[in-house]
Amino acid sequence: KQEVTQIPAALSVPEGENLVLNCSFTDSAIYNLQWFRQDPGKGLTSLLLIQSSQREQTSGRLNASLDKSSGRSTLYIAASQPGDSATYLCAGQGGSEKLVFGKGTKLTVNP
Amino acid sequence: EPEVTQTPSHQVTQMGQEVILRCVPISNHLYFYWYRQILGQKVEFLVSFYNNEISEKSEIFDDQFSVERPDGSNFTLKIRSTKLEDSAMYFCASIRSSYNSPLHFGNGTRLTVT
Repeated sequence: KQEVTQIPAALSVPEGENLVLNCSFTDSAIYNLQWFRQDPGKGLTSLLLIQSSQREQTSGRLNASLDKSSGRSTLYIAASQPGDSATYLCAGQGGSEKLVFGKGTKLTVNP
Repeated sequence: EPEVTQTPSHQVTQMGQEVILRCVPISNHLYFYWYRQILGQKVEFLVSFYNNEISEKSEIFDDQFSVERPDGSNFTLKIRSTKLEDSAMYFCASIRSSYNSPLHFGNGTRLTVT
């Protein structure tokens, strides 16, 4: 059974700092790994999807990596801005329809 | 950009009552999902729906839950007899194809059972 863990649970950084959010998963038979952003009271917005055959994906200031052998994914945010403040969720998809989510990292970027 | 829409945004109901949560997925999407998030906990999968039938469901999705696509646009989740522990944020999601497509989520319906 897939379990997804995210560390840290919360992170506070000054504006402009580069940061890394961590995600680990127990079952390496993963089909893809997705990163989402969740703003308070809102739905989830897809940020990046990494297929199992890929090692990383980039979108603007975001870069996500996937290491299946170690069961880890990271989300790197460059030059953080106050508008990046949100909860970031990672989710793994194995051999079925469902995504298994981590609990998220709540990011606060201070001006 | 097309988006998934959910109504209502907040529903309050009494224990034992039936509720229907409504979703309009993105128009050319083929796979539909319901997830829920109890306050302070992880987002959990409930059910997936494709070609007018359930393709997968979790242990949470028991006989009290049902889904329907009554017409070409709406996708509904019904809870027949609500319990206090059904209080959660319910998210609808859709994708065009099954794998390696990012999920598009609605803004959710906050269900409060009193």
